[in-house]
Amino acid sequence: EAGVTQSPTHLIKTRGQQATLRCSPISGHTSVYWYQQALGLGLQFLLWYDEGEERNRGNFPPRFSGRQFPNYSSELNVNALELEDSALYLCASSLFLAGGDTQYFGPGTRLTVL
Amino acid sequence: AQSVTQLGSHVSVSEGALVLLRCNYSSSVPPYLFWYVQYPNQGLQLLLKYTTGATLVKGINGFEAEFKKSETSFHLTKPSAHMSDAAEYFCAVSGKTSYDKVIFGPGTSLSVIP
Repeated sequence: EAGVTQSPTHLIKTRGQQATLRCSPISGHTSVYWYQQALGLGLQFLLWYDEGEERNRGNFPPRFSGRQFPNYSSELNVNALELEDSALYLCASSLFLAGGDTQYFGPGTRLTVL
Repeated sequence: AQSVTQLGSHVSVSEGALVLLRCNYSSSVPPYLFWYVQYPNQGLQLLLKYTTGATLVKGINGFEAEFKKSETSFHLTKPSAHMSDAAEYFCAVSGKTSYDKVIFGPGTSLSVIP
């Protein structure tokens, strides 16, 4: 069974540009989560999608947005990039919509903003 | 609001020694509790989780954790450390309603000394 996949592995952008990160969940999983892992800040919850709908959102500005497609894959868009957006962005998926579900993580996309 | 604290951002143990990683949570109701591990350049992997029932939870790779409601703790232990246990460990908490997000602690980096 294929795990959660993310693309690209690395992404280098300059300040002010837009970044698009992609995630494919494990087959059969309907929930997709996005996290930001910045150096020294641990994992910060960004977004949660299930069945195409945004279910929860972390404390991030509106320039962080995303969507979930009918095949349950998801993309995260970051507009007007700032230097502090440099981080590892992790995507996770789970089978059911509930707090106790195990989340399965992808390897992440390393975003560097110059 | 829920929160998680992990005492010690970095822990070093000798190979074969006891591993103890501390986690305390803040929640108005008994939550779901998780421990995840992140090996270098990889995403997170679930070690174990507590949802209900027995308070001593056994996970993969010989790890276990005990939910102590009176102490609001969920400490992770392993009787004998292996070199392969060197990684970043994250404690996490979530509520029990459908849209409760998972809140991760800041993480503890475990080093194993030969």
